[in-house]
Amino acid sequence: SSELTQDPGVSVALGQTVRITCQGDSLRSYSASWYQQKPGQAPVLVIYGKNSRPSGIPDRFSGSTSGDTASLTITGAQAEDEADYHCYSRDTSGNHLGGVFGGGTKLTVL
Amino acid sequence: QVQLVQSGAEVKKPGSSVKVSCKASGGIFNTYAISWVRQAPGQGLEWMGGIIPLFGIPNYAQKFQARVTITADKSTNTAYMELNSLRSEDTAVYYCGRDVEGGLDEGARFDSWGQGTLVTVSS
Repeated sequence: SSELTQDPGVSVALGQTVRITCQGDSLRSYSASWYQQKPGQAPVLVIYGKNSRPSGIPDRFSGSTSGDTASLTITGAQAEDEADYHCYSRDTSGNHLGGVFGGGTKLTVL
Repeated sequence: QVQLVQSGAEVKKPGSSVKVSCKASGGIFNTYAISWVRQAPGQGLEWMGGIIPLFGIPNYAQKFQARVTITADKSTNTAYMELNSLRSEDTAVYYCGRDVEGGLDEGARFDSWGQGTLVTVSS
């Protein structure tokens, strides 16, 4: 089965740029999507596909992929960006709905 | 955009079953998949399985294959997830999400989520 690996925790100074990464073999075949989750809340989609943002998501959020690694970049991090970030992609099981999440990265804004 | 509203919190005994509902409104239900994702306390998200209501054929993660049943009722725009043989490790928040497949360019994503249902398994 597929696995996606994320760093457990990352910190960034207010207003600076931070990159959160997600690594796994499935990313060579499938695009990643990224979710922001604040305590006690459901996840929220922030980036999907090659680099698409749902309406309402600030343009400081961007995404990219190289090889087996997807990245979520926040340019000019704000205090409200402090949250857990989860990556997701389809898996390689052959199950057409099969998917896998990374373990999540806790972003701290200093 | 579709809104997903889930049933309320449950407390269950080990060995019993739980059935969580997810009712969609305000958008297309039948032709998009609904997936179920759970999150144990302090842990990450875990995909359990999904279903496209139009076809009614569920797909399950191997880990849950033997214990989970996912169904959908097109007449009421409601999806269900039933988990059997509950154990303490199943204590988690269970989410439904609209699972959109965007192909090579847009990929797969969950563009709407339910509010989550806390299932507590305790004797």
